[in-house]
Amino acid sequence: NAGVTQTPKFRVLKTGQSMTLLCAQDMNHEYMYWYRQDPGMGLRLIHYSVGEGTTAKGEVPDGYNVSRLKKQNFLLGLESAAPSQTSVYFCASSYWEGVNSPLHFGNGTRLTVT
Amino acid sequence: QQPVQSPQAVILREGEDAVINCSSSKALYSVHWYRQKHGEAPVFLMILLKGGEQKGHDKISASFNEKKQQSSLYLTASQLSYSGTYFCGTESTGNQFYFGTGTSLTVIP
Repeated sequence: NAGVTQTPKFRVLKTGQSMTLLCAQDMNHEYMYWYRQDPGMGLRLIHYSVGEGTTAKGEVPDGYNVSRLKKQNFLLGLESAAPSQTSVYFCASSYWEGVNSPLHFGNGTRLTVT
Repeated sequence: QQPVQSPQAVILREGEDAVINCSSSKALYSVHWYRQKHGEAPVFLMILLKGGEQKGHDKISASFNEKKQQSSLYLTASQLSYSGTYFCGTESTGNQFYFGTGTSLTVIP
């Protein structure tokens, strides 16, 4: 049982390049989330989805886009990468809303933008 | 929107106790606690729901005071394996789930 899988694990981009981070979960979870983690800032919510075909903005959505075309996948896109987007990105999923449903995390993607 | 955690960092000797606090400016429906080891993903510890309940997980327990919009994590008789960064997570309204800034816990022999 893979749980939540993120690809790639590491990536280096030049400023202005684009890329897509893939998150896949095999637990039939409805909710999926993208967070970024920076030193001293904790985990900050970028975008989230409450079900297939839906997406919504979190607290730091600027510069990112997301799509949830299939229930098991949640994609995070950077159209024009900036050095400020250097971070570790975590995807998470939960069966239902977070009130009583634990979040399951992927192992993260370390992105460096030069 | 992020809940506030305190302290930011704490160093303990094995066997000592610690308390980590989490507070929010918004009404809370629940509080989650997670632990993250260096270079790894956060791992779920426990959820506390409205009603002021307390929960325990080995020698780690937590309380939730919904009136004060606060939760506390209690680590008793700490072990080396407790080292890591602890995050509280909260969901108030609108399905958005926010994490605190984290508390770094280091347990030394």
